[in-house]
Amino acid sequence: KQEVTQIPAALSVPEGENLVLNCSFTDSAIYNLQWFRQDPGKGLTSLLLIQSSQREQTSGRLNASLDKSSGRSTLYIAASQPGDSATYLCALLMLYNFNKFYFGSGTKLNVKP
Amino acid sequence: KAGVTQTPRYLIKTRGQQVTLSCSPISGHRSVSWYQQTPGQGLQFLFEYFSETQRNKGNFPGRFSGRQFSNSRSEMNVSTLELGDSALYLCASTVGGGANTQYFGPGTRLTVL
Repeated sequence: KQEVTQIPAALSVPEGENLVLNCSFTDSAIYNLQWFRQDPGKGLTSLLLIQSSQREQTSGRLNASLDKSSGRSTLYIAASQPGDSATYLCALLMLYNFNKFYFGSGTKLNVKP
Repeated sequence: KAGVTQTPRYLIKTRGQQVTLSCSPISGHRSVSWYQQTPGQGLQFLFEYFSETQRNKGNFPGRFSGRQFSNSRSEMNVSTLELGDSALYLCASTVGGGANTQYFGPGTRLTVL
């Protein structure tokens, strides 16, 4: 069974700082990995999707990497802004089941002005 | 293009009652998945429907059930509510399955008293 862990659980940084969020998983037979953002009381917004064959994806100030051999993904946020404050979740789809996400518990990010 | 909509957004019920939640996917999307989110357990997969058929089911008791209609709208039903069923219930839609980006609705906040 896939186990997904996100560290740290919470992070508080000053505005402008670059930061890295971590996601680790136990089963490397993944199909793809997505990073989501969740604002308080809201649904999830997809940020980046990395296919199993890819090493990284970039969108604006966000860069996500994937290393299946070590069971890790990182989300890099450059020049953080207060509007980046939210909970960030990683989610995996497995090769043997395309239709069920395995979610991490999330990292709650607070960017202080 | 309208996003995923969920109704109602908030619901308060008492123990022993039953509840039905609704999810309307993005137009053209045929797959709908349901997730339960609680502070203690995080995001947990409930079930997934595609073309009116349940393709996947998570590890929830039989009190949790769902269905999908021919227009892809989906409903989730919880019978004999328990205090522990209090959660944010999220649905997600995708074109044909999880291999594509999933789009989440805003969720239904269920409180069981």
